[in-house]
Amino acid sequence: DAKTTQPTSMDCAEGRAANLPCNHSTISGNEYVYWYRQIHSQGPQYIIHGLKNNETNEMASLIITEDRKSSTLILPHATLRDTAVYYCIVRGSGNTGKLIFGQGTTLQVKP
Amino acid sequence: NAGVMQNPRHLVRRRGQEARLRCSPMKGHSHVYWYRQLPEEGLKFMVYLQKENIIDESGMPKERFSAEFPKEGPSILRIQQVVRGDSAAYFCASSPAGTALGYTFGSGTRLTVV
Repeated sequence: DAKTTQPTSMDCAEGRAANLPCNHSTISGNEYVYWYRQIHSQGPQYIIHGLKNNETNEMASLIITEDRKSSTLILPHATLRDTAVYYCIVRGSGNTGKLIFGQGTTLQVKP
Repeated sequence: NAGVMQNPRHLVRRRGQEARLRCSPMKGHSHVYWYRQLPEEGLKFMVYLQKENIIDESGMPKERFSAEFPKEGPSILRIQQVVRGDSAAYFCASSPAGTALGYTFGSGTRLTVV
């Protein structure tokens, strides 16, 4: 699975969009980009995933660059409850087994 | 449609006792993964099991830790002779196949060793 790089921490004002970047320059053609988040002390929560097209669901949008070497998770209207650690993980569709979590980005939403 | 169920939510053990953590996967999921999160640290993979088989135990400490996923019943993570350093949150995840699609976590068991 390709390695990912994320900023250690970010701040966002409540009500504004939170844009969380992720670099995955060694991603290969069959690898998906997954985003999870962990709100303090809770189990990680799936947010969204994508292969090459942009994706949107009720929680967030995922923008993947055309060369697929980076992506951005967008929370359109961040709330205080979105304060969490956000993990970007790259995983092959045919790969089995564990998901490996890096350090992630700690997003602090401020009033 | 219940999610991944872990129990107990909180477990206190004295040094030297045994800790047994249980994980019931989501309905239809036959793959279970255990992770440990030490205080102020990230999630570390421990073990990946299918029914009656350990597939990947590369993250399990060599001693005192074991895991099983029997044909019937929940997956069990067992820690023998617990020490203070075992105090952590232990999370279980399940998936329908061995891929990342549908990978769902439980709420965790917080183990405190006193």
